[in-house]
Amino acid sequence: AQSVTQPDIHITVSEGASLELRCNYSYGATPYLFWYVQSPGQGLQLLLKYFSGDTLVQGIKGFEAEFKRSQSSFNLRKPSVHWSDAAEYFCAVGPTGGGNKLTFGTGTQLKVEL
Amino acid sequence: DADVTQTPRNRITKTGKRIMLECSQTKGHDRMYWYRQDPGLGLRLIYYSFDVKDINKGEISDGYSVSRQAQAKFSLSLESAIPNQTALYFCATSDPRSNQPQHFGDGTRLSIL
Repeated sequence: AQSVTQPDIHITVSEGASLELRCNYSYGATPYLFWYVQSPGQGLQLLLKYFSGDTLVQGIKGFEAEFKRSQSSFNLRKPSVHWSDAAEYFCAVGPTGGGNKLTFGTGTQLKVEL
Repeated sequence: DADVTQTPRNRITKTGKRIMLECSQTKGHDRMYWYRQDPGLGLRLIYYSFDVKDINKGEISDGYSVSRQAQAKFSLSLESAIPNQTALYFCATSDPRSNQPQHFGDGTRLSIL
């Protein structure tokens, strides 16, 4: 069965500092990986996705993520955090080749200090 | 207008009541999903539908039922609500082509007293 682990429940960073949110997955084949962001009172917005090709993927709002098969990881990064990035972030894994059923991690709540 | 619309956005009700949450979409997607979100647990899949005649249970379907009235509409019902069904509920849609992401509504916050 597929699973996703986000080991950090809460992270606090200062505005302008770099950010890395960790995501580890378990999946028996080549996974299809996502990062979503949820702002208060909002639904989930897709930040980026990976299913093949270049292991470093660029997303919206200046975010990027790197797929590392050997480590079963798909960590999200941003070089310089803005106060508006404060939100909850979810990593998700799904099967390639269709189906679209996703398994979500438990989320990481990001707080940005001014 | 939002692509995925959930109604109501907030609902407070009492134990034992029947509740229906509605989801409609203008994206033209065949696939629709219902999730619940609880603090510290992330999103868990309740039911999903790959077309109008297809309904499938997710990982936590007990106590819930769904109806796919049309390609654009997918409703979630709680036949007899209980307090531990208090949660934030999300509807999502996706294109059936491979590797397409899911698109989410803004959620329904449901409180059962």
